[in-house]
Amino acid sequence: EAQVTQNPRYLITVTGKKLTVTCSQNMNHEYMSWYRQDPGLGLRQIYYSMNVEVTDKGDVPEGYKVSRKEKRNFPLILESPSPNQTSLYFCASSPAVGQVYSPLHFGNGTRLTVT
Amino acid sequence: AQKVTQAQTEISVVEKEDVTLDCVYETRDTTYYLFWYKQPPSGELVFLIRRNSFDEQNEISGRYSWNFQKSTSSFNFTITASQVVDSAVYFCALSEAQGGSEKLVFGKGTKLTVNP
Repeated sequence: EAQVTQNPRYLITVTGKKLTVTCSQNMNHEYMSWYRQDPGLGLRQIYYSMNVEVTDKGDVPEGYKVSRKEKRNFPLILESPSPNQTSLYFCASSPAVGQVYSPLHFGNGTRLTVT
Repeated sequence: AQKVTQAQTEISVVEKEDVTLDCVYETRDTTYYLFWYKQPPSGELVFLIRRNSFDEQNEISGRYSWNFQKSTSSFNFTITASQVVDSAVYFCALSEAQGGSEKLVFGKGTKLTVNP
């Protein structure tokens, strides 16, 4: 089944404790991205990747890191989480870069709480 | 810069009522795509429809219909004879030719509650 898989689905952590949210897609998509969703703010892009070893900042990259060592994986790293990073996170992918018509395929989301 | 506005934060209707979700967009591009996504209470994001800027033909899919009007920069979504299962947050989104789907911009969403 074609899908984007995020883990974990739920995560509660404390301020300053490094964490990684994994994202994997099995559709051989070139493009992958991370979004965060907050009440009243909709979805905002954190980072995106056009292909392996190519990543770039989205609208709200502060406090996050990403890597794209393999085509299928795009982990989101929070080196020192803070409470303002409490949010619902989505990983997404699409077939090819520059295809304006391609809908994004989303993972099921990761709800992160930082205390 | 591109922008998507969903002015309705929350809508509540009774089952079987028709409901329209508004979406107004801003873009300087002549080529762009508009999307609607549904987020049910379970949290996942489900792609509903895509429309390109050159095709103003309205689309109907079962109880769902979309009205695209370039003159008013709107891409409204109507659910006919709403059902409880339609309860969800609905997002309108825009991608421009210059950015592709990687520059997808979302509206803030409209939460629809359909009461039995």
